[in-house]
Amino acid sequence: AQKVTQAQTEISVVEKEDVTLDCVYETRDTTYYLFWYKQPPSGELVFLIRRNSFDEQNEISGRYSWNFQKSTSSFNFTITASQVVDSAVYFCALSEWKAGGTSYGKLTFGQGTILTVHP
Amino acid sequence: SQTIHQWPATLVQPVGSPLSLECTVEGTSNPNLYWYRQAAGRGLQLLFYSVGIGQISSEVPQNLSASRPQDRQFILSSKKLLLSDSGFYLCAWSRTGVPPTPQHFGDGTRLSIL
Repeated sequence: AQKVTQAQTEISVVEKEDVTLDCVYETRDTTYYLFWYKQPPSGELVFLIRRNSFDEQNEISGRYSWNFQKSTSSFNFTITASQVVDSAVYFCALSEWKAGGTSYGKLTFGQGTILTVHP
Repeated sequence: SQTIHQWPATLVQPVGSPLSLECTVEGTSNPNLYWYRQAAGRGLQLLFYSVGIGQISSEVPQNLSASRPQDRQFILSSKKLLLSDSGFYLCAWSRTGVPPTPQHFGDGTRLSIL
């Protein structure tokens, strides 16, 4: 069975601080996909990134960066120079994919990390 | 571009009443469709997913059912609501195929059962 653990329930930082959100996953599949989503106070989930299990290259998008380490089954998310608008709940998710099969794109979500950025 | 519409945004229902939440997707065809529930302060739980018209898979036993009468329409229903059905319900869609594509979510429905 798949499992995603986001051990940090809540994080509070002051604007301009860097913050890292941890994500640890468990799966028996050799091929899988990892996702991060942002849920602002309005409620909708916004897709941030997808990474497959064969691509361990770190990725940077503006103030956001992701560190994927297969050896530790972690896919951590860092926000550099945080802003008040970054305040949201952030979810890490895992999707299986079996070669020759159909995954239907089902996601297993972590419990989420509530990030509050104070001015 | 693709858009997903979900309604109503907020709903207050008495225990034992029926439920119908609707979700439609525009700008794509044959999407995968999903219903999730998010209890207060918790993560998202997948309730149902559908890969085609009339094809519904249930992930957890519960008081709810889902239907997909048209390609881009997904409906969540209940004949008799329970207090435990309260929560935030999210509909999502993704493109069909492998590898799994990102899911895109609607704005959600906040359901309160009295």
